Amino acid sequence: EVQLVESGGVVVQPGGSLRLSCAASGFTFDDYTMHWVRQAPGKGLEWVSLISWDGGSTYYADSVKGRFTISRDNSKNSLYLQMNSLRTEDTALYYCAKVAVEMATMPLFDYWGQGTLVTVSS
Amino acid sequence: EIVLTQSPGTLSLSPGERATLSCRASQSVSSSYLAWYQQKPGQAPRLLIYGASSRATGIPDRFSGSGSGTDFTLTISRLEPEDFAVYYCQQYGSSPGAFGQGTKLEIK
Repeated sequence: EVQLVESGGVVVQPGGSLRLSCAASGFTFDDYTMHWVRQAPGKGLEWVSLISWDGGSTYYADSVKGRFTISRDNSKNSLYLQMNSLRTEDTALYYCAKVAVEMATMPLFDYWGQGTLVTVSS
Repeated sequence: EIVLTQSPGTLSLSPGERATLSCRASQSVSSSYLAWYQQKPGQAPRLLIYGASSRATGIPDRFSGSGSGTDFTLTISRLEPEDFAVYYCQQYGSSPGAFGQGTKLEIK
């Protein structure tokens, strides 16, 4: 059974930093591109970042470029999101999501975690 | 960047009725790389439809998708109580894989 479990979400002050983690199981992690998608309270879904199956390619939404860094450790079946210079508008539930097609980057998501809540507030 | 616009914003229907949700793209979606997701309160989104019309694993056949180019539709033939949720369309043929703003399907 595929499982994605996010952690690391807390309350942080504007300008602060945070690292989110996503522990994956139930599939061959290093065959799949992984994404982060966020959802502000009461709002819709916003794509944040992706990292290819081998970590060789990364992409970011314009809203987080230069502040967030996505990474992965295939030996630990884990995905990460380092978040720096946090802003109030980064407040959201952050989901990690697995793409449906192995060795592909297209953002079609067949499994999602339950999310971890990041609140940026003074 | 492709922008997706969903309509209506809210749809009020009764169980047993037919629901028709629309998703319009600002430019053609390549190879019909259009997906639909369902999200219930407190839950993560669930993939319903991909490739505009293919049902994901385990999705009941009352859910169907259609369309191509810039106009796509999700149809729920006979609403069950568990179908009342928010539905998002998403194009995944080009980065960054934008989502529509969602349609809330509520019980009338």
